[in-house]
Amino acid sequence: AQSVTQLDSHVSVSEGTPVLLRCNYSSSYSPSLFWYVQHPNKGLQLLLKYTSAATLVKGINGFEAEFKKSETSFHLTKPSAHMSDAAEYFCVVSVKAAGNKLTFGGGTRVLVKP
Amino acid sequence: DAGVTQSPTHLIKTRGQQVTLRCSPKSGHDTVSWYQQALGQGPQFIFQYYEEEERQRGNFPDRFSGHQFPNYSSELNVNALLLGDSALYLCASSFNAYEQFFGPGTRLTVL
Repeated sequence: AQSVTQLDSHVSVSEGTPVLLRCNYSSSYSPSLFWYVQHPNKGLQLLLKYTSAATLVKGINGFEAEFKKSETSFHLTKPSAHMSDAAEYFCVVSVKAAGNKLTFGGGTRVLVKP
Repeated sequence: DAGVTQSPTHLIKTRGQQVTLRCSPKSGHDTVSWYQQALGQGPQFIFQYYEEEERQRGNFPDRFSGHQFPNYSSELNVNALLLGDSALYLCASSFNAYEQFFGPGTRLTVL
């Protein structure tokens, strides 16, 4: 079985400062890892994905994440927050042996202050 | 390309009723997965359909059932609605369960 823990339920940053969203995973098999963003009253949008290639993954809108197997972590970062980054972020794990079903973390709500 | 579409957008039902939600996958996709997102929580996997059969199922009771049609579109049915079924229901489509693209969801309120 696989699971995901997002270590912060809420993160507050000032516009122009770095963003760090922390995620730890558990999986019996080699995982694929994803970050999705959900803006209010909108569906889920894929930010980036790790599928056993490069451990540093670059996504859309300036986000990137680093897969660290030894720490079972997949933290999401952005060097400079923008007001439009205010949203809910989900760290997600899937494994091929489990039919690639997505297992979501509880989410981190990001607030960006002007 | 229209992307993943879901209908209706919102729905209000009373306890004990039955509901059907619909999903049209992205063009070229053959797999549809359904997720339930309760308020303030992450989505939870309900089930996945491929080639018109349920391929996988999450930890949901038999009141939750589904169907996939030959054109790959899908329905989610929930019988004997409970207050706790109130949630955002998300459909995701993919090609053979690889990268999943989500629709905007259907907001179900059970009174």
